[in-house]
Amino acid sequence: EVQLVESGGGLVQPGGSLRLSCAASGFIFSDHYMDWVRQAPGKGLEWVGRSRNKAKSYTTEYVASVKGRFTISRDDSKNSLYLQMNSLKTEDTAVYYCVRAKPSSGWYDDYWGQGTLVTVSS
Amino acid sequence: DIQLTQSPSFLSASVGDRVTITCRASQGISSYLAWFQQKPGKAPKLLIYAASTLQSGVPSRFSGSGSGTEFTLTISSLQPEDFATYYCQQLNSYALTFGGGTKVEIK
Repeated sequence: EVQLVESGGGLVQPGGSLRLSCAASGFIFSDHYMDWVRQAPGKGLEWVGRSRNKAKSYTTEYVASVKGRFTISRDDSKNSLYLQMNSLKTEDTAVYYCVRAKPSSGWYDDYWGQGTLVTVSS
Repeated sequence: DIQLTQSPSFLSASVGDRVTITCRASQGISSYLAWFQQKPGKAPKLLIYAASTLQSGVPSRFSGSGSGTEFTLTISSLQPEDFATYYCQQLNSYALTFGGGTKVEIK
């Protein structure tokens, strides 16, 4: 069974940093692209970024609003995905989901974690 | 970035109704489109990918169609468990983007 478990969320002041982790199990982690998607309270979904797999040299993509502030990394030996968030802003307040992407003429987000809440507030 | 516009944003329907949700892209995205269902307090669930392919385990009353800039999600006979918010997502180019969502409520 595919499982994705996020951790590391919490309350942080504007300008602060936080590192989210995602522990994956039930599939060959190293084969898959992985995404972070967020959802502000009462709002819609926003894709944050993607980590490609080893075959694609672990390259990353980001939405413009987090580029230069957020960094996605992964450790295939630990089946883990990370999101380092720096220079946090109040508008980064959201539930952050770790998402597995599966290949099918494109990489589609098929399994989602339960999410971890990040609150940026003074 | 490619913008996705969903319509309607809110839909009131009865059990057994046929429901159609539209997703329009600001530029052509071929068939690189997915549909998700989200219930309150839960993570989204993949329903359809590649515009028309049903994800494993998803009931056959859900179907997707379209290519280019216009796409539809159809629920052939709405069931009580289908009351939720639905999102489309384009995967043609980065940054990946979602539509604003369509909330389906009980009439």
